[in-house]
Amino acid sequence: GNSVTQMEGPVTLSEEAFLTINCTYTATGYPSLFWYVQYPGEGLQLLLKATKADDKGSNKGFEATYRKETTSFHLEKGSVQVSDSAVYFCALKGLANAGGTSYGKLTFGQGTILTVHP
Amino acid sequence: GAVVSQHPSWVICKSGTSVKIECRSLDFQATTMFWYRQFPKQSLMLMATSNEGSKATYEQGVEKDKFLINHASLTLSTLTVTSAHPEDSSFYICSASYAGSNQPQHFGDGTRLSIL
Repeated sequence: GNSVTQMEGPVTLSEEAFLTINCTYTATGYPSLFWYVQYPGEGLQLLLKATKADDKGSNKGFEATYRKETTSFHLEKGSVQVSDSAVYFCALKGLANAGGTSYGKLTFGQGTILTVHP
Repeated sequence: GAVVSQHPSWVICKSGTSVKIECRSLDFQATTMFWYRQFPKQSLMLMATSNEGSKATYEQGVEKDKFLINHASLTLSTLTVTSAHPEDSSFYICSASYAGSNQPQHFGDGTRLSIL
């Protein structure tokens, strides 16, 4: 079945530091990949996505590249801010050619807590 | 665009009562809606998938009679926790997606349910 593995947190950084949160996946076929962010007490917000190999998703200074050869979708940001403190979830979405019951469902990683200090 | 509204955001009720949570897609037609449960400091656990006009598909281990899901229109799905007990206390989140295999799911802000 599909699975997503994220680096364990929590991750604690100083403001303006470089951020990398690793994400690797196992899936049948060619899934779409997503990063979601969850602020305390809220639902999830889509941060960025990539739908095919070598696609780069980007938003609000965050980037992630769909690497099929390494089955990875690592999240990066060059200079984090205190307001980036949140929980980040990597996720994949099964596609029709994966068959079975995986179609359309999101499979989430365990989440990575990021805390940025001033 | 792609806004999902979830209501209520927070509910406290006595053990044995039933609680209904609404999930609405405000600016798009959601062919599929998903209901998740999230425990503190954990990831989201998919409970069920609902398609407009058809019965929901529940994940293994989720009680269909406990968690009733209705998806009567392309903009509204409801989750009813029947005869709720303290162990049902959790953060429930819905998401909605429109047609297309690579379309993302858009999430509501969640409902904090506390059963006394």
